[in-house]
Order: sequence, then C-alpha cells, then structure tokens
Amino acid sequence: SAVISQKPSRDICQRGTSLTIQCQVDSQVTMMFWYRQQPGQSLTLIATANQGSEATYESGFVIDKFPISRPNLTFSTLTVSNMSPEDSSIYLCSVSGSQETQYFGPGTRLLVL
Amino acid sequence: QKEVEQDPGPLSVPEGAIVSLNCTYSNSAFQYFMWYRQYSRKGPELLMYTYSSGNKEDGRFTAQVDKSSKYISLFIRDSQPSDSATYLCAMSGLGGGADGLTFGKGTHLIIQP
Repeated sequence: SAVISQKPSRDICQRGTSLTIQCQVDSQVTMMFWYRQQPGQSLTLIATANQGSEATYESGFVIDKFPISRPNLTFSTLTVSNMSPEDSSIYLCSVSGSQETQYFGPGTRLLVL
Repeated sequence: QKEVEQDPGPLSVPEGAIVSLNCTYSNSAFQYFMWYRQYSRKGPELLMYTYSSGNKEDGRFTAQVDKSSKYISLFIRDSQPSDSATYLCAMSGLGGGADGLTFGKGTHLIIQP
C-alpha cells in the first residue's frame, strides 16, 4: 500500500484567510482525491486530481473555493480559500492503489475561528 | 434518502463477541465495496474490499455483499479491545478505486475488556 503524508496535520485559522494543504505519496500514482470529513457526517469527495489536467469537482464544490494543484505524480495541494467557520473539518487526501482500493492520508484538522 | 445508510452507534460489545456491522445503499450502480477502520485522530485504514456479491474472509474479518438487497456487512470474530474504532463502509461504481468513493457515516464500535 502507498504511504501518504499530509501537511499541516492541524491548524487554527482566522475567517477570511486561506490555507494550503499538502499531500505527498511515496510512489507515483495516477489518481489522487480530496475528501472532507465534517463532524457527524460522511466523508465527502471534494474533487479528483489527475496530473496534467484540471481537477474534477463534485457537486457543491467549486474551484474558486477549493483550488487544487497536481504538479507531478507524487504530490498535490488543496487550498481552502476565504475560510469561514463552516469550513472547519478534517481534510483527507487519498490515492488509488489498484482497481479495488483507495488509501488515505492521516488528514488535516482545520478549525476556523 | 442518502445513498449509503450506516447506523452511527455507538455499538458496545464485550470482548470476544462477534460483531456485525452493516450498511444499506440505494445506488444499484455500485460494484466495489470497501470497509475502512478509523481510529480517533487518524486517517481511514482499508480493511477489506469486495467486488460484486459474495463473501470474503481475512483472518477475524468477513465481508459480505448482497447486491439483490443492497446490503453489505462486516463481521468481526473474537473481538478485541484494539478493534474499538469507527468503521466506515464505502462503495464505488465500475471504476472501483479509480473513482471517488461514497461513504456511510461510520459506526463507532466499543469493545469492552
């Protein structure tokens, strides 16, 4: 399985600011994904990030709010822009390990005041 | 109706008991079914995956999928206190791990020593 790291592991931010979350994988992967896990809610897919192309966003998520970069096959960033307290959540990246599997990073815990 | 329903619990059982965790879903396009374990303040860890209907066993864990009923289960035999965690079911269409996953809310399991 892939080893995935995320930075920062947690942060406390002021409303109106932006935070960029990094996801690093120890091997080259084609598909990377970003999810959000809000308290009491299911993990929800934000977007799919493929290297060399624009990210594909799910309904309810827009590029202006959650810009994503995927500069190579081992790295991606997710930015949470113009934050509000409603953005307080755990943000997770994942990678496709095989036809059947997806592996997750440890998550970034974000609190917006 | 949410696409994936999962009782959030908590489910508390004594050590050594057989645990049954379940999810129901509404989207008949789902073909891949996964179970993740998530400890507090950690990312989801893939436990098992199955394709289409049937059973799969791995040590103390057995996953069952009944596509006709749109019902999946995870059984844990000889449960241990270390099994205490939140268990998430997840599923996807024909793309499998190369697609975004749809999750249940997770069941919080407590194994009492």
